[in-house]
Amino acid sequence: SQQGEEDPQALSIQEGENATMNCSYKTSINNLQWYRQNSGRGLVHLILIRSNEREKHSGRLRVTLDTSKKSSSLLITASRAADTASYFCATDSNSGYALNFGKGTSLLVTP
Amino acid sequence: DGGITQSPKYLFRKEGQNVTLSCEQNLNHDAMYWYRQDPGQGLRLIYYSQIVNDFQKGDIAEGYSVSREKKESFPLTVTSAQKNPTAFYLCASSASGPGETQYFGPGTRLLVL
Repeated sequence: SQQGEEDPQALSIQEGENATMNCSYKTSINNLQWYRQNSGRGLVHLILIRSNEREKHSGRLRVTLDTSKKSSSLLITASRAADTASYFCATDSNSGYALNFGKGTSLLVTP
Repeated sequence: DGGITQSPKYLFRKEGQNVTLSCEQNLNHDAMYWYRQDPGQGLRLIYYSQIVNDFQKGDIAEGYSVSREKKESFPLTVTSAQKNPTAFYLCASSASGPGETQYFGPGTRLLVL
């Protein structure tokens, strides 16, 4: 079952602008992860934020988590054409160690 | 794609045929997973295995089968009972425990002739 839901479904920006994607989920979580997928490729892990953390940074990425609103956001600063990809949030599932993935946000960064 | 490989990259299935997708990892992970991705969609869990010789059905297991005889390998068979098999199949592995980071293979695209 897909617990996470990303918003917007698609986002188009120019190089140098910031990109913000949001994720909402339904039940309590241990942590929330963000993944990136280039077209036709596997997913790559970007960042994990635990339920007791509010904000985390990794390079040009900033993730926030609001457990009271059951939502997270991923901010990519100073975007580059190479950031063009789909971005997925993932949360714990009730299927053992598997994750629930949202449908993703498709980001297009134009030069 | 790290230390997890999938083969083949493209696979064609004829009507009534079973086909097997390979997934191998050298990350010493106990847990492995198979997901299906349809165009513009997220990932849906087919099967998962938390340890050798054990596996569990995911959300869309009908028409699929798996085995886990070795820690490194988790092959997925798409049987003739799966009526709509055209999709992108992703294998992943992780350390044991809920919410662990998953490492994905490059995927296999299955097409029906």
